Amino acid sequence: DVKVTQSSRYLVKRTGEKVFLECVQDMDHENMFWYRQDPGLGLRLIYFSYDVKMKEKGDIPEGYSVSREKKERFSLILESASTNQTSMYLCASSLGEDRVQETQYFGPGTRLLVL
Amino acid sequence: AQKITQTQPGMFVQEKEAVTLDCTYDTSDQSYGLFWYKQPSSGEMIFLIYQGSYDEQNATEGRYSLNFQKARKSANLVISASQLGDSAMYFCAMRDTNTGKLIFGQGTTLQVKP
Repeated sequence: DVKVTQSSRYLVKRTGEKVFLECVQDMDHENMFWYRQDPGLGLRLIYFSYDVKMKEKGDIPEGYSVSREKKERFSLILESASTNQTSMYLCASSLGEDRVQETQYFGPGTRLLVL
Repeated sequence: AQKITQTQPGMFVQEKEAVTLDCTYDTSDQSYGLFWYKQPSSGEMIFLIYQGSYDEQNATEGRYSLNFQKARKSANLVISASQLGDSAMYFCAMRDTNTGKLIFGQGTTLQVKP
């Protein structure tokens, strides 16, 4: 079974803090994704990566950066957390062979509250 | 641009009955993939079922089936014999063929009544 883990289920941070959200997958997947989920807005893509050290901006990259130093790990960084970044953050991974058909597998999510 | 629309914010169904969750999509691509995910209150997105645009048969996976009507651009999820554990939010999604990212609908909250 594919396993995607995220470092925290719940996180509380203060405005201005630097926040790291870690995601690890154990299936040697090429692709990894970070989404945020907000009520009424669904899931929106922040950043994604097709390979180690590669990153691509998604639909809402402002205020975020990412790091992929190893294939299995994809980190989302909030350089200076703000209250409008309070959200549910979901990491996903996929094999990377067929962009049309392949399934993305999600981690359990991190609920971040920025005070 | 590709778009997914789920018009039912919330649905109720009696335990053991079948329920259909609606999904319509918009794309100009000839080859595309459609997915359904389940998100229980715990938050994890669980993959349920996949339908490819060239698949001749409707996808089925246990109690889940996909009613795929290509001409109408609809991909409705049918859950048969509903169980209390089916209570969750359900998302329809389409893969963007250029980037591989998933484009999600707004979701439908399903509540199964005992």
